[in-house]
Amino acid sequence: GAVVSQHPSWVICKSGTSVKIECRSLDFQATTMFWYRQFPKQSLMLMATSNEGSKATYEQGVEKDKFLINHASLTLSTLTVTSAHPEDSSFYICSAIYGYTFGSGTRLTVV
Amino acid sequence: GENVEQHPSTLSVQEGDSAVIKCTYSDSASNYFPWYKQELGKRPQLIIDIRSNVGEKKDQRIAVTLNKTAKHFSLHITETQPEDSAVYFCAASRISGGYNKLIFGAGTRLAVHP
Repeated sequence: GAVVSQHPSWVICKSGTSVKIECRSLDFQATTMFWYRQFPKQSLMLMATSNEGSKATYEQGVEKDKFLINHASLTLSTLTVTSAHPEDSSFYICSAIYGYTFGSGTRLTVV
Repeated sequence: GENVEQHPSTLSVQEGDSAVIKCTYSDSASNYFPWYKQELGKRPQLIIDIRSNVGEKKDQRIAVTLNKTAKHFSLHITETQPEDSAVYFCAASRISGGYNKLIFGAGTRLAVHP
């Protein structure tokens, strides 16, 4: 139980384009989801907390206009990286509050 | 806000030896301390956790200890095996009825040599 499905698992995009990452809770309702970013050989850094039906809460230093978070239903949260640049290349991973279950992660490469 | 420090950053042991990873936290209100194992390119997997009302918890070869006064907690792996090789993260959270964001330590890369 408590499975979070994350898509896509990897994506390559051109600089300046936008990329959407989805996280779905498959067997439970997630009123809250957390979005993390992990650079190679580094720890997971919390970017924002996604709350169903309300605005996301962003951590200090994270640009809310660049990393758009939508949590329109109890089972789906999305992260859109807008106007992506090579420095945004990273491993993005979501986590649901229930059991601290993580999605499988999305490896984003911006070229 | 919460800050979690983790040591060592790398740890190399021989198969069958024990491994110990230590973490300290700053927020005395934190009351939940999970440990994760992450293999290369994969999601973190929760391996054990402890709440602040408990001093020690054990699950087969893995144990966690918590010292609330000193604000530190440790992961102990006994009889290590090559498949234990991975990056281990500690984390701290405050569970208070609302959302509980996890703050992670920097990670420990454990290598178990046959």
